[in-house]
Amino acid sequence: DIQMTQSPSSLSASVGDGVTITCRASQTISSYLNWYQQKPGKAPKLLIYGASSLQSGVPSRFSGSGSGTDFTLTISSLQPEDFATYYCQQSYSTPWTFGQGTKVETK
Amino acid sequence: QLQLQESGPGLVKPSETLSLTCAVSGGSISRSGYYWDWIRQPPGKGLEWIGSVYYSGSTFYNPSLKSRVTISVDTSKNQFSLKLSSVTAADTAVYYCARRVRDIVTTTQYYFDHWGQGTLVIVSS
Repeated sequence: DIQMTQSPSSLSASVGDGVTITCRASQTISSYLNWYQQKPGKAPKLLIYGASSLQSGVPSRFSGSGSGTDFTLTISSLQPEDFATYYCQQSYSTPWTFGQGTKVETK
Repeated sequence: QLQLQESGPGLVKPSETLSLTCAVSGGSISRSGYYWDWIRQPPGKGLEWIGSVYYSGSTFYNPSLKSRVTISVDTSKNQFSLKLSSVTAADTAVYYCARRVRDIVTTTQYYFDHWGQGTLVIVSS
């Protein structure tokens, strides 16, 4: 199985801050990397697919980059509704696997 | 608008079989290029992919659960189902059904673009 490791596990930030979350794969996965946002008690929501493609309806302050083994999710200016947990997921090979999550909390 | 809705018992006894159904509305489960998946999340933990089914009946399972999992599709009812046998407390989780899409541009990228709200299943006597 491909292991996905996110860092940090949690971070504290304020509205308006720029935020970067990193995801590392245990082997190369090209650009087969997706990002999801999950709020408490809710299902995950797709933000980014193919490492850098923005899902329809997702605000442009979210962006993704990377290829191979190292990827980043960036929120350019944190909004109140962005406080949540973020997961990366590889779609290179089955079993599809997720990172352990990064919780973005208010400072 | 596509909607997925999980249903099934919220409490299952150890060693018994967990059975859930995901009803799909607002779109056909038989549409080419879409896969129908189950994903679970233990309380306070991360996400684990369980397996998926295509409308043709083809299935794909996580090897870690393969010996206990059966996923099936009923195209006449526009729904798919999960059965997990010999459950233990470690199977306590929120179970999500989700649609996995094959990107039409690349045809090799897959992602989960629609999810059900999730249903909590507790394994306890």
